[in-house]
Amino acid sequence: LAKTTQPISMDSYEGQEVNITCSHNNIATNDYITWYQQFPSQGPRFIIQGYKTKVTNEVASLFIPADRKSSTLSLPRVSLSDTAVYYCLVGDKDTGRRALTFGSGTRLQVQP
Amino acid sequence: ETGVTQSPTHLIKTRGQQVTLRCSSQSGHNTVSWYQQALGQGPQFIFQYYREEENGRGNFPPRFSGLQFPNYSSELNVNALELDDSALYLCASSLASRPEETQYFGPGTRLLVL
Repeated sequence: LAKTTQPISMDSYEGQEVNITCSHNNIATNDYITWYQQFPSQGPRFIIQGYKTKVTNEVASLFIPADRKSSTLSLPRVSLSDTAVYYCLVGDKDTGRRALTFGSGTRLQVQP
Repeated sequence: ETGVTQSPTHLIKTRGQQVTLRCSSQSGHNTVSWYQQALGQGPQFIFQYYREEENGRGNFPPRFSGLQFPNYSSELNVNALELDDSALYLCASSLASRPEETQYFGPGTRLLVL
């Protein structure tokens, strides 16, 4: 079972770039790396997913080094509305199980 | 908006009672997963249904059960409620049951057991 480790919390200011790093030392060959965002009392929302190198979409970038033992979610120019919990997930290959395995996530607080 | 809806939004029950929570998936999504999220923690996988059959289960007792219907709706049933069952219950739908498939979450049902 691949396990992820992320910082518990981070603080930033509006307009700054925020980088959240996730460690997943036991990632399997076929595992993808996925990041979700969750606001209070709402369901998690998909942000970005990647397998290797760099992926970019309209909201974030995901950097994955060659060994894939870690990944970094980059949020450019954050705003107050980016205050949320961010979860890093890798695939769970247990037989018969297709779950998303969430850790405790990183609580990002953006200040004005 | 993810197109996934859940009902009710909030619910209060007493210990020992039974509860049914409902989820409506995105049209065409043949996989639905249910998660329990206690306050301050990440969501924990309960089980997943793929084409109306249970396709995997987390570390939850048998009093947590589910159903998936052909019309993309599903239910989570919990019998003999315990105080620790108080949580946000989330359903998530996806096109297939592969781990890398994006799951679209509903807003959740907040259950309080007294």
